[in-house]
Amino acid sequence: GDSVTQMEGPVTLSEEAFLTINCTYTATGYPSLFWYVQYPGEGLQLLLKATKADDKGSNKGFEATYRKETTSFHLEKGSVQVSDSAVYFCALSDPSGGGADGLTFGKGTHLIIQP
Amino acid sequence: DAMVIQNPRYQVTQFGKPVTLSCSQTLNHNVMYWYQQKSSQAPKLLFHYYDKDFNNEADTPDNFQSRRPNTSFCFLDIRSPGLGDAAMYLCATSRGGGIAQKLFFGSGTQLSVL
Repeated sequence: GDSVTQMEGPVTLSEEAFLTINCTYTATGYPSLFWYVQYPGEGLQLLLKATKADDKGSNKGFEATYRKETTSFHLEKGSVQVSDSAVYFCALSDPSGGGADGLTFGKGTHLIIQP
Repeated sequence: DAMVIQNPRYQVTQFGKPVTLSCSQTLNHNVMYWYQQKSSQAPKLLFHYYDKDFNNEADTPDNFQSRRPNTSFCFLDIRSPGLGDAAMYLCATSRGGGIAQKLFFGSGTQLSVL
């Protein structure tokens, strides 16, 4: 079945540091890939997505590129802020399920940014 | 301004005592999902409704049931909660069934089983 593997946390960085959170996946066919973020006390919200190979999703300074050859979708940001502290989830949607079958999530990576 | 609302935020029940979690949405979305998220684990899809059509995941225990009386509301019923059912339960919606659809999540209900 489908699965998503992401680096375990917590990841602790200083403000303005460069961020990478690794994500790899296994899926049948060509899935769509997502990063969701969960701020303390809130629900998950979509951060960015990519729907085909070599697509780059970007939002709020975060980027991730759909790499089919390495089955990866690593999240990056050039300069993190304290307000980026949250839990980040990598996820995929598999077309073989017809679309409305929800997402397969990774376990989440807790990011802590220190001033 | 909240779009997907889950109540209550925290729910405590006793071992074996039925419990119902609720979710409502103001987005008029076709699809509603229920996920279970245990500590340090990935959210796991339990089932979803596409309009009135119910879709159960193959490994969802029979102990878990769901109802969707109308577009706006969806309920998760746990008939006989066990200690292993303690988790965060997340409700989400999407407009339709495309694989690139954005999901909108509620804040979750944290269930404790005593």
